[in-house]
Amino acid sequence: DIAMTQSPSSVSASVGDTVTITCRASQDISNWVAWYQQKPGKAPKLLIYAPSGLQSGVPSRFSGSGSGTDFTLTISSLQPEDFATYFCQQANSFPITFGQGTRLDIK
Amino acid sequence: EAQLVESGGGLVQPGRSLRLSCVGSGFTFEDYAMHWVRQVPGKGLEWISGISWGSGTINYADSVKGRFTISRDNAKNSLYLQMNSLRAEDTAFYYCAKDIRLGDDAFDIWGRGTMVTVSS
Repeated sequence: DIAMTQSPSSVSASVGDTVTITCRASQDISNWVAWYQQKPGKAPKLLIYAPSGLQSGVPSRFSGSGSGTDFTLTISSLQPEDFATYFCQQANSFPITFGQGTRLDIK
Repeated sequence: EAQLVESGGGLVQPGRSLRLSCVGSGFTFEDYAMHWVRQVPGKGLEWISGISWGSGTINYADSVKGRFTISRDNAKNSLYLQMNSLRAEDTAFYYCAKDIRLGDDAFDIWGRGTMVTVSS
């Protein structure tokens, strides 16, 4: 199985900051990674899909990059609604696997 | 608007069975692979099973292989998860999710989830 190691597990930031979350795959997954945002009591929401596609309706302050084993999600100019938990996911092969999540809190 | 609605969750004793359903609307259900993903409240996401548009390809996580069966009925825009021999560790929210496009297992539409609690 492909392990997705996400870091940091939590981060505190302020409105207007730029935050970067990383995900490392245990083997080459080309660019088959997706990123999700989840708020308490809600289903995950797709933000970024392979190779670096921004899902419809998602603000352009969200961006994804990387290939092979190392991937990043960058959130620029943080807004109050961005404070949530973020997950990466590999879609290269089955079983599909997720990172353990990054909780983004208000500083 | 595309949406998915799960049903069938509840409280069940260990060793018993439960069948989850997911109905899709607002998109051409038969064109997309579908998946089940579960989440223990407050914890991470675990993909557990996926089925191709025509049911020709089915995959399971090792944690549920041999106990859970995924299926779909495209005429009813429905996805199912038959869960047998349930264990306490199967307790979680269960979400159905849709592939964003053919060949890309990123999930663009998720249901609101249905809670399954396995306890005596």
